[in-house]
Amino acid sequence: GAVVSQHPSWVICKSGTSVKIECRSLDFQATTMFWYRQFPKQSLMLMATSNEGSKATYEQGVEKDKFLINHASLTLSTLTVTSAHPEDSSFYICSARELTGLTYEQYFGPGTRLTVT
Amino acid sequence: AQKVTQAQTEISVVEKEDVTLDCVYETRDTTYYLFWYKQPPSGELVFLIRRNSFDEQNEISGRYSWNFQKSTSSFNFTITASQVVDSAVYFCALSGGPYGQNFVFGPGTRLSVLP
Repeated sequence: GAVVSQHPSWVICKSGTSVKIECRSLDFQATTMFWYRQFPKQSLMLMATSNEGSKATYEQGVEKDKFLINHASLTLSTLTVTSAHPEDSSFYICSARELTGLTYEQYFGPGTRLTVT
Repeated sequence: AQKVTQAQTEISVVEKEDVTLDCVYETRDTTYYLFWYKQPPSGELVFLIRRNSFDEQNEISGRYSWNFQKSTSSFNFTITASQVVDSAVYFCALSGGPYGQNFVFGPGTRLSVLP
């Protein structure tokens, strides 16, 4: 099946710094990409949806100035956590959607574990 | 609004027992998809199944089987003869509309299979 990669797989950063997470669809073009956040022992919560070439749509309660999303091409989306704080420590998972005729396929990346010290 | 409920937060079984994970969903869409994912300790989601709302046939894949009942808005997942490697968190998910708008995950069920 199709593969979605994320880089890095884990990152540790100091409070106040910014960190960028990349999400790539390796063998298909993703018309839409999604970013999820998962806190320990909780479910995945959608943060934002992005379509290539347009601004991301953020879910209620997600600060768009803090979580910058860029969907520069049909195979790459980036999430930048700006001025990170310990409460931003979480598991971030991206997902990429491929339209296939009248339906779609959605694939999830392996996740990026962010720890802010 | 769409919603997925997994009433069982945690389940523990002994190896070789059968276990059923419940999933109840709510949606106003006439076309929707239901999913089950497995999340082992590594964190990476493992896709298990996708079911179209128009296809109520039950499905069996090895030790896994799924029971989709629109009448009760349920999409339950059964593991037969469970194994220790089945220990993981299992998420039921729902996406509405033909292009999967509003993809929503349930809270998850943590399954522990004891040797």
